[in-house]
Parts: sequence; structure tokens; C-alpha cells
Amino acid sequence: GQSLEQPSEVTAVEGAIVQINCTYQTSGFYGLSWYQQHDGGAPTFLSYNALDGLEETGRFSSFLSRSDSYGYLLLQELQMKDSASYFCAVRVGTGGFKTIFGAGTRLFVKA
Amino acid sequence: NAGVTQTPKFRVLKTGQSMTLLCAQDMNHEYMYWYRQDPGMGLRLIHYSVGEGTTAKGEVPDGYNVSRLKKQNFLLGLESAAPSQTSVYFCASTLPAGAGELFFGEGSRLTVL
Repeated sequence: GQSLEQPSEVTAVEGAIVQINCTYQTSGFYGLSWYQQHDGGAPTFLSYNALDGLEETGRFSSFLSRSDSYGYLLLQELQMKDSASYFCAVRVGTGGFKTIFGAGTRLFVKA
Repeated sequence: NAGVTQTPKFRVLKTGQSMTLLCAQDMNHEYMYWYRQDPGMGLRLIHYSVGEGTTAKGEVPDGYNVSRLKKQNFLLGLESAAPSQTSVYFCASTLPAGAGELFFGEGSRLTVL
């Protein structure tokens, strides 16, 4: 089966930088994704890493190390609106892909 | 631009009743998924489909059945609802290639009494 580990909660102040780590154990790994979910809303896609290294999209960056089965999401210049849950998810499969989610990290941004 | 549409948005059932959740997508996506989300447990995959007429079990398939008779629709059925199936259900779709970005519906909140 698959398992993903990420911290349950992170707190940071507005304007700061925060890193949310994710480790995974899986077979048939294709890539690691990150999703954001605000309370009462649906998850929305943030980023995807299939290869080792850093991907940058605006204030958000995501990193993957396939050899370490590890990735992280980096959020810079934190804003109050970034308060949400963040999920790492692995894309796995043989003959058809499925996406398995971690339990999520609740980010609280304080003024 | 409807994207992924789930019906109904809310439903209250009594134990033992049956119901079907409908997911419809207008993006011509091959892959469709049903997840449930419970507090503190993230999204857990129930069943998924990689194409019309095909379905597969996910992490928590017991108590649920699915059908994908048309490419744009993915139905999730509860034959005999139990209180443990009280949850928020999300449908998602994606293409096989690329980043596999999942496009989610707004969710369906189901309460089983």
C-alpha cells in the first residue's frame, strides 16, 4: 500500500516563510502533488513534481527527492489568505493512475 | 464552464437506506475518482475509473459501488447506508498525461442517522 506523512499543524506569521514536509512510502510512484483546501471548499491543485528538484510557481515552491522519498512545499511571503490545509499526494499506478493523499497539514497564519 | 458537478450537495439518510451520488464532468477527462473526507483524515480514495466501462477499488471501497457507463459520468452508490459513511464526498477528474492535476467537484455532504 501507500503511506504519506506530513505534520498535522504549522503556525507562522504573516510575511514569513514556511516549509511543509512530506515523506512517502509507495510502489509505482510517478510524482508528488500538493493541494490547498480552505475550510468548506474543495481541494485545489498547487504543484506537481515528477523529477528531483525544485519547481517554483509564484510564492509557492515544491521540492522532490525521489531517492529519499521526500518532498516539501515552501510558501513565501505568507499572507492571511494562505491559512488553509495543505495536502501532499502521490500519483501511483500501473496501467492506470490513482492519487493517494496524506492526512493534511493545517497552516495557521498569524498577523 | 461547469467543470466537475456533484449532485446532491447535501443529503440526510437513515441507516439502511440507499442512495446514489452523481458526478458529471464536461472536460472530456478519462480518469475519475471518488474520495471521502473525514476530519483529520485527509481524502481517502474509495473507487476510481480510468475510462468508460472500467472501475477499480481504492483505499476504502467497502460499502460502496460505482459505475462509469458514460465517459462524463461517475456514479457512487451506497446500497445500505451506515453511520460510518457520514462524510463529505468529493469527485475528481483528470487526464492520464501530464501532472495529473485533479479537478474537484464542490463536494457532497452526507449524514447517515
